[in-house]
Amino acid sequence: DADVTQTPRNRITKTGKRIMLECSQTKGHDRMYWYRQDPGLGLRLIYYSFDVKDINKGEISDGYSVSRQAQAKFSLSLESAIPNQTALYFCATSVADNGELFFGEGSRLTVL
Amino acid sequence: QKEVEQDPGPLSVPEGAIVSLNCTYSNSAFQYFMWYRQYSRKGPELLMYTYSSGNKEDGRFTAQVDKSSKYISLFIRDSQPSDSATYLCAQETGGFKTIFGAGTRLFVKA
Repeated sequence: DADVTQTPRNRITKTGKRIMLECSQTKGHDRMYWYRQDPGLGLRLIYYSFDVKDINKGEISDGYSVSRQAQAKFSLSLESAIPNQTALYFCATSVADNGELFFGEGSRLTVL
Repeated sequence: QKEVEQDPGPLSVPEGAIVSLNCTYSNSAFQYFMWYRQYSRKGPELLMYTYSSGNKEDGRFTAQVDKSSKYISLFIRDSQPSDSATYLCAQETGGFKTIFGAGTRLFVKA
């Protein structure tokens, strides 16, 4: 089983719908991240959390919210999806003393 | 200007070629750089990291940082079809926040 698991892997939805992407990890890492990947723009940080009580905005947090339900679970919500949120979304984890990021396999979201 | 700039390619080379992948960065305050490799339909995986200037070698891969020109490079020797992937350069910017380049798609033809 993957150490960082994302669900769903693929989702097609309509404008205005609420969407939740979920991430769970078995690596025991405190730090969790949500990134968005777009062609030509690379990976951009949406939100990050260094522990259950710590949530921080990244560079592109508008239109998104997150919840850290437990050390191992970090979910990303789009309250009212819009077409320019069509992208590949990655959850990642890291340990406190090492900057290496461990990514899930991604969730491809299409907003029509 | 993006903090980390990278040519998206694609770059196509024959098997056995030496590949050079490059990025530039703008913020000199942080000197921890990484290269991630991303295969199609997969998440990125750390390939190499370097700190400050100089070279770091790992098998067929060499990572290089030139502080004077704010240039980071990844060299792949004896490239193989299995090296076909997207390569992302990254800079850690304190507090373990990482800024990524756009990624370069590499194709190695057998």
